[in-house]
Amino acid sequence: DAGVTQSPTHLIKTRGQQVTLRCSPISGHKSVSWYQQVLGQGPQFIFQYYEKEERGRGNFPDRFSARQFPNYSSELNVNALLLGDSALYLCASSLTGVKDTQYFGPGTRLTVL
Amino acid sequence: GQNIDQPTEMTATEGAIVQINCTYQTSGFNGLFWYQQHAGEAPTFLSYNVLDGLEEKGRFSSFLSRSKGYSYLLLKELQMKDSASYLCAVRDDGSNYQLIWGAGTKLIIKP
Repeated sequence: DAGVTQSPTHLIKTRGQQVTLRCSPISGHKSVSWYQQVLGQGPQFIFQYYEKEERGRGNFPDRFSARQFPNYSSELNVNALLLGDSALYLCASSLTGVKDTQYFGPGTRLTVL
Repeated sequence: GQNIDQPTEMTATEGAIVQINCTYQTSGFNGLFWYQQHAGEAPTFLSYNVLDGLEEKGRFSSFLSRSKGYSYLLLKELQMKDSASYLCAVRDDGSNYQLIWGAGTKLIIKP
């Protein structure tokens, strides 16, 4: 079975630009969570979606937005990029997102110049 | 507030045993996870504890004491491929079951 997939693998943008990151969960999983991980730190929670509804939002500015599609795939959008947005963006899928294990995709490495 | 503490870095010898500690203070508790993360890669699930005690899975074991807000990950018969960061995460049922993460412990294995 395929695991969580994310695209693109790497991305280089300049300040002020906008970026869209994509994630496909494990087949049968209905929940997707997005995390930002800066080098040397643990993942920071951005969003969680379940059945196309936002279930939770972390402490990130409104420049960050996300959505989940009927096939349970998800997109994370970041507007007006800042240098500090450079990080590894991780997507994790789980069955319901409540009391089950999250499985991570390979991540998207975003570099903002 | 929410806080999860782990040592920043540990060094151990190939073939030996190492224990990585994690202490937590969260508004709620609904389980503790350990993940392994190799440099530049995504975290991979290792273990899950929700009740007090020891969970064993091959060379890896994880222990939980809810009353002490404490967990450890025990790695036996260390191999060079175990060199990685080990992340402790608590599922907080006081925050809509979100995962609260520690900063990770970088484990260096020497021959």
